Amino acid sequence: AQSVTQPDIHITVSEGASLELRCNYSYGATPYLFWYVQSPGQGLQLLLKYFSGDTLVQGIKGFEAEFKRSQSSFNLRKPSVHWSDAAEYFCAVGVTEYGNKLVFGAGTILRVKS
Amino acid sequence: NAGVTQTPKFQVLKTGQSMTLQCAQDMNHNSMYWYRQDPGMGLRLIYYSASEGTTDKGEVPNGYNVSRLNKREFSLRLESAAPSQTSVYFCASSEGQIYNSPLHFGNGTRLTVT
Repeated sequence: AQSVTQPDIHITVSEGASLELRCNYSYGATPYLFWYVQSPGQGLQLLLKYFSGDTLVQGIKGFEAEFKRSQSSFNLRKPSVHWSDAAEYFCAVGVTEYGNKLVFGAGTILRVKS
Repeated sequence: NAGVTQTPKFQVLKTGQSMTLQCAQDMNHNSMYWYRQDPGMGLRLIYYSASEGTTDKGEVPNGYNVSRLNKREFSLRLESAAPSQTSVYFCASSEGQIYNSPLHFGNGTRLTVT
């Protein structure tokens, strides 16, 4: 079945440590890829997007993501996590197979410990 | 900058009651969306409007109706609320199409149906 998978429901990292959040998708064509962040009580905010070109994309707040076609993955990374990064992170995939749509993963909750 | 504004922020309904969630955007975007967010399920599209005067069903439209009042405003109506509609509802807008345009989200409406 076509889907977007974020394997980790929760991740806890220490402040200053590096972070990688995983996202895999199962669509045939290269999709449009997004990462969004949601702070408690807020709506989602776009962190970064990938449409084509350089497979390593930079976003806001020091985040980056790498598209790997062979692995159907678009993992989000940050070299050094700050306490303010604690939030829920959503991967989203835009596809045109079987109609135009945007499919969200279930989200990963990031906890930052000091 | 207001962006996407949703009202109300919180609402409690009894089963069978009706209500309308309001959404307005000031970014001159063509497309507008209504999502619901439930724990562990990511965001699911209820209805969307690709342009003023058009609306289409999303993934979970049953029990809802929408109106694209003008380019700025897109409302969501629950005619007869059910406990299964307890959720957080987000309105979003985008300049282009759903699959290849970043979404701008409101801060959500937390609805409880008892």
